[in-house]
Amino acid sequence: DAGVTQSPTHLIKTRGQQVTLRCSPKSGHDTVSWYQQALGQGPQFIFQYYEEEERQRGNFPDRFSGHQFPNYSSELNVNALLLGDSALYLCASSLRTVYNEQFFGPGTRLTVL
Amino acid sequence: AQKVTQAQTEISVVEKEDVTLDCVYETRDTTYYLFWYKQPPSGELVFLIRRNSFDEQNEISGRYSWNFQKSTSSFNFTITASQVVDSAVYFCALQGSSNTGKLIFGQGTTLQVKP
Repeated sequence: DAGVTQSPTHLIKTRGQQVTLRCSPKSGHDTVSWYQQALGQGPQFIFQYYEEEERQRGNFPDRFSGHQFPNYSSELNVNALLLGDSALYLCASSLRTVYNEQFFGPGTRLTVL
Repeated sequence: AQKVTQAQTEISVVEKEDVTLDCVYETRDTTYYLFWYKQPPSGELVFLIRRNSFDEQNEISGRYSWNFQKSTSSFNFTITASQVVDSAVYFCALQGSSNTGKLIFGQGTTLQVKP
């Protein structure tokens, strides 16, 4: 039973560029949430997708957008990268009906130079 | 507003010592869940325990135990007879019924267990 997978593992971009991160949920899960974890901080909720729509959003600018595909996998897009976007981006999957069980992936480490 | 506070930034103990990680939370929801996650250097968040607001029964699981007290809004986590492999960052998190799916994390406590 595959857990949550994320790609790529590491990514280096320069300011102003755009980046796409990918997440495949745990088998059987239909909901994907994204979190940003800056160095030395706790993860912060970016948004959640269910039925291919954004259902909840945290306090992040519109530069952060996402998408969920029919197979429940998800992408996180960040436009006009800033140095402050450097962080570990974590994806979590769950069942919409069992929202209190979120399983996290290994994360994507994004470095913006 | 919902908030989780982990006042201890770093804790260092010697192997076999007991260690308690503190967590204080704020929420106006009457129904909510509290979690502890462990984050080793690899980065992946490992789920340790979940408690709902109606279950104040404390539990012991192997070397881990939890103390949930609604009266003080605290959800503390204790490792008995710590081991070097317990070294990691530990996060307390809150999920309210008014914001399902969104986990609110504390700042984390870095635990270093020395041999």
